[in-house]
Amino acid sequence: ETGVTQTPRHLVMGMTNKKSLKCEQHLGHNAMYWYKQSAKKPLELMFVYSLEERVENNSVPSRFSPECPNSSHLFLHLHTLQPEDSALYLCASSLSRGSEQYFGPGTRLTVT
Amino acid sequence: AQSVTQPDIHITVSEGASLELRCNYSYGATPYLFWYVQSPGQGLQLLLKYFSGDTLVQGIKGFEAEFKRSQSSFNLRKPSVHWSDAAEYFCAVGVPNNNDMRFGAGTRLTVKP
Repeated sequence: ETGVTQTPRHLVMGMTNKKSLKCEQHLGHNAMYWYKQSAKKPLELMFVYSLEERVENNSVPSRFSPECPNSSHLFLHLHTLQPEDSALYLCASSLSRGSEQYFGPGTRLTVT
Repeated sequence: AQSVTQPDIHITVSEGASLELRCNYSYGATPYLFWYVQSPGQGLQLLLKYFSGDTLVQGIKGFEAEFKRSQSSFNLRKPSVHWSDAAEYFCAVGVPNNNDMRFGAGTRLTVKP
């Protein structure tokens, strides 16, 4: 596969469930990002990893927990989510900080 | 910190007509500027970027954008719109060596037959 892939594409979970979103980039990039995209809201940057080190955490609730085991993989672990967490979660990567980002197709999350 | 504004929430154009989507940014120096397109249920695809040099940049799918420092603008243009261009368009501004890319709220483009 090429580019940035995300799995699953769709996820429905209850508020007491634990699930994980996975992102993989095949571009040899050094930075990876999680974004949240909700209807009628601008794209919200959640987490940034650069060379596998978390460099940014934009006041995201602790029920979202990122993990970056290597420069190609990024996870977002989810637990005890709220209905307002329902959104499209997008992963992106870039060669370096500030350069253009390449996005995956997203995971459409619905919390019931 | 940098910021970006897309004044138009929704634009409708006829197929074959020209298109211009507006983007204004706020930053003290010359930022990195980007345009992305998003089709329903998909991620964002990079259309074009500006880092430095020629202020008129060409992108994919026949799009171009012009950086105007005096107006703090980076408007996206296409001379003849195709029905497949219907999508959401996002302008973004980045800063060298900084992860914090800011996105505009997006402009939804509808193309009439």
